[in-house]
Amino acid sequence: DTGVSQDPRHKITKRGQNVTFRCDPISEHNRLYWYRQTLGQGPEFLTYFQNEAQLEKSRLLSNRFSAERPKGSFSTLEIQRTEQGDSAMYLCASSLDGAHQQETQYFGPGTRLLVL
Amino acid sequence: QQPVQSPQAVILREGEDAVINCSSSKALYSVHWYRQKHGEAPVFLMILLKGGEQKGHEKISASFNEKKQQSSLYLTASQLSYSGTYFCGTELSYSGGGADGLTFGKGTHLIIQP
Repeated sequence: DTGVSQDPRHKITKRGQNVTFRCDPISEHNRLYWYRQTLGQGPEFLTYFQNEAQLEKSRLLSNRFSAERPKGSFSTLEIQRTEQGDSAMYLCASSLDGAHQQETQYFGPGTRLLVL
Repeated sequence: QQPVQSPQAVILREGEDAVINCSSSKALYSVHWYRQKHGEAPVFLMILLKGGEQKGHEKISASFNEKKQQSSLYLTASQLSYSGTYFCGTELSYSGGGADGLTFGKGTHLIIQP
């Protein structure tokens, strides 16, 4: 058990609806990442937070996607006006800022989204 | 730039060895190896940093060849529990490291048969 939790684990929605996912990182970790994984592919980076600041966004993150981490603890990822192409596993990972070295990213169990 | 993993799939008998490769066309700062079982989260195995040494624990080890920008994961005397998909995640050297997201390969499927 890595300690990163995600909710819900599964979500089925109709095209055009909005969905929101939650991620709770390992408690002392100040970095939080969102990835998307489709069948047969590795995780694709979406965005990341250092504490409450969103420091990088991938070009994969269209304007229908928004992520927040209001108090530097849990994070939410919202997808507005969902499309069938949004169907994927959404993974959250967290790490501890090592200042001078790359730190391990620990992944949560993911939220599997199916858009009908 | 997505790293290229090879082979795409491997089928082994329990006790056999395997090597999984991860190559990049760009200079790398770090390579991260994960194993993912179906329907589960990727589980961290190890990190290799530019200028670092070969790493390993028990029967799983890895190396990083900076000249070739290639990392290899070595699984010796494989066990049934080693089955899964292995991903390498890379970080480029452009910023000398940092907090950017990882770029993952497409994965190598490893099946261990009794």
